[in-house]
Amino acid sequence: GIQVEQSPPDLILQEGANSTLRCNFSDSVNNLQWFHQNPWGQLINLFYIPSGTKQNGRLSATTVATERYSLLYISSSQTTDSGVYFCAVHSSASKIIFGSGTRLSIRP
Amino acid sequence: DVKVTQSSRYLVKRTGEKVFLECVQDMDHENMFWYRQDPGLGLRLIYFSYDVKMKEKGDIPEGYSVSREKKERFSLILESASTNQTSMYLCASSSLADTGELFFGEGSRLTVL
Repeated sequence: GIQVEQSPPDLILQEGANSTLRCNFSDSVNNLQWFHQNPWGQLINLFYIPSGTKQNGRLSATTVATERYSLLYISSSQTTDSGVYFCAVHSSASKIIFGSGTRLSIRP
Repeated sequence: DVKVTQSSRYLVKRTGEKVFLECVQDMDHENMFWYRQDPGLGLRLIYFSYDVKMKEKGDIPEGYSVSREKKERFSLILESASTNQTSMYLCASSSLADTGELFFGEGSRLTVL
C-alpha cells in the first residue's frame, strides 16, 4: 500500500519564526489533505490540495503530485500554531492514509 | 460549513459495559468513518460506511460494530468494553459527489477502567 512519511517528526520554534513541514508519499494519489490537531484532539482542515499551491493567511501549501510530495509552510509562527500537523493521502474514497505527523511547538 | 458532531467528548466506562459513540454530520455526506488514535500508532480506521445500512471493515474492526440507520448518523458500538479500547475515537465524513475532502468531529476520549 501507499506509504506516507512526514518530516520532521518534531519541531520547536520561537514565536515569529517560519517553518516548512514535508509530506512524502510513495504512489499516485487522488487527493491530499493537511490537518492541524489542536490540543483538545480535534483535527482541523487546513488544506485540500491534490496539486498546486494554496494560501490561507499565514499558511500555505504546495503539492507536486508528479514528484509525490507536499509542503506546508507556516510563516510568523504563533503559539496557537502549536500542535500536530498531519497529511493524509486519498487513494480511494475509503482508503485514506495518514502520515505519522509533525509535532510543532511554538515557544513565546 | 460542514459540521460533524460527536455525542461525548469524554467518557469513562467499566470493563464489560456496552458503549455507544454517536456521530452526526449535517452536510448530506455519503461516506462516514470511525478512526481511533493512539500514541505511536497514528490514526487507524475501524469502520467505514458509504451508504445507509452499508459498512466495510477497516484495519482494526475487532471488538467493534457500527450502525448506520440514517444517512446523517453513524454509531460505533463497543459490545463489551475492554481496557485496550481506551483511546481517542474520531468520526469523519466526506462526500462521494464532491472532492472527497474529509471532515472530522471533535473526538471522543474514552477511558475503560
